[in-house]
Amino acid sequence: GDSVTQMEGPVTLSEEAFLTINCTYTATGYPSLFWYVQYPGEGLQLLLKATKADDKGSNKGFEATYRKETTSFHLEKGSVQVSDSAVYFCALTSYGKLTFGQGTILTVHP
Amino acid sequence: NAGVTQTPKFQVLKTGQSMTLQCAQDMNHNSMYWYRQDPGMGLRLIYYSASEGTTDKGEVPNGYNVSRLNKREFSLRLESAAPSQTSVYFCASTRTSGRAMSWETQYFGPGTRLLVL
Repeated sequence: GDSVTQMEGPVTLSEEAFLTINCTYTATGYPSLFWYVQYPGEGLQLLLKATKADDKGSNKGFEATYRKETTSFHLEKGSVQVSDSAVYFCALTSYGKLTFGQGTILTVHP
Repeated sequence: NAGVTQTPKFQVLKTGQSMTLQCAQDMNHNSMYWYRQDPGMGLRLIYYSASEGTTDKGEVPNGYNVSRLNKREFSLRLESAAPSQTSVYFCASTRTSGRAMSWETQYFGPGTRLLVL
């Protein structure tokens, strides 16, 4: 079946540091890939997505590129802010059903 | 436009009690979903409804039932709650159904935190 593996957390960074959260997947067919973010006490919201190989999703300074050859969709940001502190979920869809990774807690200190 | 709403926000149950979690969306979406979120396990799909009048099991359906009351509402019922059902429950929806769902964004409600003693 489909699966998503994220790097183990939590991740703690200082403000303006570079962020990478690794995500790899296993899926049949041609999945779409997503990063969702969950701020404290809230539901999940879409951060970015990519629907085919070599697509780059981007939003709020975050980027991720759909790499079919390495089955990866790593999340990056060049300079994190305290307001980026949240839980980040990598996910894929196959015929409409989302499969999530376990989530990575990011804490950014001033 | 409230998006996806869930009630209640928080609930404490005793083992064996029953309850229904309510979810409604005002975006005219066709598909709706129920997930549970447990520490270190991400979100897991309990049940989904690809369209009004249809429901299907997800990854972890045991101990739950669902009803797609109409296009807007999708409820989740625990008939006899167990401590293993202590979790945060999220409802979500997408505009389309069928194969087109693959690239659609899912919109999530704020969650219901359930504690079963």
